[in-house]
Amino acid sequence: DAGVIQSPRHEVTEMGQEVTLRCKPISGHNSLFWYRQTMMRGLELLIYFNNNVPIDDSGMPEDRFSAKMPNASFSTLKIQPSEPRDSAVYFCASSFGTGRNTEAFFGQGTRLTVV
Amino acid sequence: LAKTTQPISMDSYEGQEVNITCSHNNIATNDYITWYQQFPSQGPRFIIQGYKTKVTNEVASLFIPADRKSSTLSLPRVSLSDTAVYYCLVGDTPTGFQKLVFGTGTRLLVSP
Repeated sequence: DAGVIQSPRHEVTEMGQEVTLRCKPISGHNSLFWYRQTMMRGLELLIYFNNNVPIDDSGMPEDRFSAKMPNASFSTLKIQPSEPRDSAVYFCASSFGTGRNTEAFFGQGTRLTVV
Repeated sequence: LAKTTQPISMDSYEGQEVNITCSHNNIATNDYITWYQQFPSQGPRFIIQGYKTKVTNEVASLFIPADRKSSTLSLPRVSLSDTAVYYCLVGDTPTGFQKLVFGTGTRLLVSP
């Protein structure tokens, strides 16, 4: 398996534009996580899904952020409208199982810069 | 929710053994302890996981005392390539589904 695949790897956009980040989890995994990482705030969990259903979105910073998982092999994180403070590296991770001892696999991340 | 506390940073030299301790006083009975490693510009990577006593794999060892309120990640004979941030995570399944919450981690710097 190629692992968790994220696209694009880098995104530069202007403030106010819509940004869509994409993630393909590992085949067979049933949990998917979206994270945001910055120097100031570290690695923050934004939302996670189980069997394509959002379980906890309490980490989503505001209504400008939305995430979907239309099927088991694809998820998107959308920011509309984007702001400079959204600049960060966004990671997607997937895992199999729901228990306390599951291992998560991370993608390479999308580095987002909003100017 | 179980929370973890670990040193912000540690320094070491090549060839030394490094031990990073994590405190998790509120760990729940069914919680596992998991450690991840993150290199610059990469996503975190699973290193090791345990429930009690000692676990060893090809990368590291994990020591967990009987009360499970702390754990120690041991990296034998570190090299420059072990320079990374190490995160300790425990359980966290408030909804019945595992919620992976990362703390601040320990930034390990290995020097020649």
